[in-house]
Amino acid sequence: DAGVIQSPRHEVTEMGQEVTLRCKPISGHNSLFWYRQTMMRGLELLIYFNNNVPIDDSGMPEDRFSAKMPNASFSTLKIQPSEPRDSAVYFCASRPDPGTDTQYFGPGTRLTVL
Amino acid sequence: GNSVTQMEGPVTLSEEAFLTINCTYTATGYPSLFWYVQYPGEGLQLLLKATKADDKGSNKGFEATYRKETTSFHLEKGSVQVSDSAVYFCALSEGSGAGSYQLTFGKGTKLSVIP
Repeated sequence: DAGVIQSPRHEVTEMGQEVTLRCKPISGHNSLFWYRQTMMRGLELLIYFNNNVPIDDSGMPEDRFSAKMPNASFSTLKIQPSEPRDSAVYFCASRPDPGTDTQYFGPGTRLTVL
Repeated sequence: GNSVTQMEGPVTLSEEAFLTINCTYTATGYPSLFWYVQYPGEGLQLLLKATKADDKGSNKGFEATYRKETTSFHLEKGSVQVSDSAVYFCALSEGSGAGSYQLTFGKGTKLSVIP
């Protein structure tokens, strides 16, 4: 089985540009999570979805960040406009259903904003 | 709220040494506890878990016991290998009902094993 797929793996952009990160969860999984990892703050939950519906977006840093899940097999995290402090590794994770607690992580997207 | 505290790294060990990475937690109820491992350039992978007090999770020679009385879940391995070099995250999950299981992570401990 394919695991969680994220693209791109690396992204370098300039401040002010729009960035879109993509995630394909494991087939059949009903919950999807977006995390951000930095040296200073560790691993932070940004937002998660159950059955394509956003449940908790309290971790989204500010209005520049938005996330969508138009269907069960695809999600995007968009940053517009991007800033240097957004530089981090962004992980997507999925789990089989909301009633389970084990999450399966993708390989991450390393974002660098110059 | 929930929180996880794990020992700060980095930890450097020689091959075949004994490993302990300490982890303590704060939770309002009865969480499940996890250790995730992140190898260089990869995402996090579940290493082991325990769902109730006195349970022992084990995998790939690693073990951790859920100690409710000390709110701890220390990771141990008797003989580390170079291939164990990675960042290790302790985490907890607490909730009830659909949608409420979320992971709270510690900051991670980087382990380097030298030949």
